[in-house]
Amino acid sequence: AQSVTQLGSHVSVSEGALVLLRCNYSSSVPPYLFWYVQYPNQGLQLLLKYTSAATLVKGINGFEAEFKKSETSFHLTKPSAHMSDAAEYFCAVSEGGGSNYKLTFGKGTLLTVNP
Amino acid sequence: EAGVVQSPRYKIIEKKQPVAFWCNPISGHNTLYWYLQNLGQGPELLIRYENEEAVDDSQLPKDRFSAERLKGVDSTLKIQPAELGDSAVYLCASSIGLAGSTDTQYFGPGTRLTVL
Repeated sequence: AQSVTQLGSHVSVSEGALVLLRCNYSSSVPPYLFWYVQYPNQGLQLLLKYTSAATLVKGINGFEAEFKKSETSFHLTKPSAHMSDAAEYFCAVSEGGGSNYKLTFGKGTLLTVNP
Repeated sequence: EAGVVQSPRYKIIEKKQPVAFWCNPISGHNTLYWYLQNLGQGPELLIRYENEEAVDDSQLPKDRFSAERLKGVDSTLKIQPAELGDSAVYLCASSIGLAGSTDTQYFGPGTRLTVL
């Protein structure tokens, strides 16, 4: 069964600093991977997704993630944090098709940006 | 393009009472999902519809939860009777339903349920 592990339930950075949110997955087949962001009292919004094309995926708001099969990782990065990036971030993996399709989320990482 | 609409946004009820949540997906999206999100956790799938058909309801507690998607558009999720442990955010999402595992799911704002 597929699973997602997000290392660090809470990450705190200074404004302008590098953002690195870690995600490792387990999957029995080549996975499709997603990063979603959730702002307070809102639903989840897609940041980016990996669908077996380029291993470096660029998303919205300056975020990007790199798929590393050898490390079973899909870490999310942003070179310079902005105050508006403060939110909860979820990594997710999907596999299967038809009735077997399932999207599995990690527990999330809360990002705090300090002025 | 209008997003996924959910109502109500907040609901407070006493235990043993019934409650219902409504979801209107993005126009043209064939697939609709209901998720449960507990505090500090990621969403967990309750049920997935392809048009009118519930194709995955394996995680839906059928003794007290029910869902329907009449005409393959709007959907309602019901809990009867509610228990204290049902306090959570209930998220609805939709996707086009053509790409399978690569589909992007679009989420509504959720309904925050508090059971007293």
